Amino acid sequence: EDKVVQSPLSLVVHEGDTVTLNCSYEVTNFRSLLWYKQEKKAPTFLFMLTSSGIEKKSGRLSSILDKKELSSILNITATQTGDSAIYLCAVRFYGGSQGNLIFGKGTKLSVKP
Amino acid sequence: EPEVTQTPSHQVTQMGQEVILRCVPISNHLYFYWYRQILGQKVEFLVSFYNNEISEKSEIFDDQFSVERPDGSNFTLKIRSTKLEDSAMYFCASSDSRDKGNQPQHFGDGTRLSIL
Repeated sequence: EDKVVQSPLSLVVHEGDTVTLNCSYEVTNFRSLLWYKQEKKAPTFLFMLTSSGIEKKSGRLSSILDKKELSSILNITATQTGDSAIYLCAVRFYGGSQGNLIFGKGTKLSVKP
Repeated sequence: EPEVTQTPSHQVTQMGQEVILRCVPISNHLYFYWYRQILGQKVEFLVSFYNNEISEKSEIFDDQFSVERPDGSNFTLKIRSTKLEDSAMYFCASSDSRDKGNQPQHFGDGTRLSIL
């Protein structure tokens, strides 16, 4: 049973569009939620969210956590072809010594020129 | 910017052989992890390591697997008697020790392991 569910699984947009990627989780003892961008190889860290309602922003990307709804969204405004990648959501819970990351399946974003 | 480095980038091995995947975590990080990603599937946690011992391991990480920090910089994953289903991309990650390790994990580029 998936504990971290991302939607949509894939998305095709045109340059300049705004996209919203969703992540919901069913994890007890929630600790933090992380967003990564995966192009060809390593997942690259984007944001870590621990508190509800506080938006994190970096350039055209932003993300917010809703602990009541057990979800997070990742927004990308004015998309560019370089934003094409798989966006991964991962949740850390309190378990063991520091808690591993449970990943969703990812959202594959394709930005067309 | 400091990064996690992994070697080799691609390893091809006959089934039944042993492989060692190597990682150099970011130098001031104290928490180390191995994940794997089978082609087309999600990233899965294997093991975490802190203070020279395993902190947590998943059910994937059975007796076939072991980890070691042989010196002050390297962190290795050994797979004994490899099986076809071990074919995957293996990622090493590390994080610093603030907030008891509740920090972003930074990933290496991975080692693609192909078992023939």
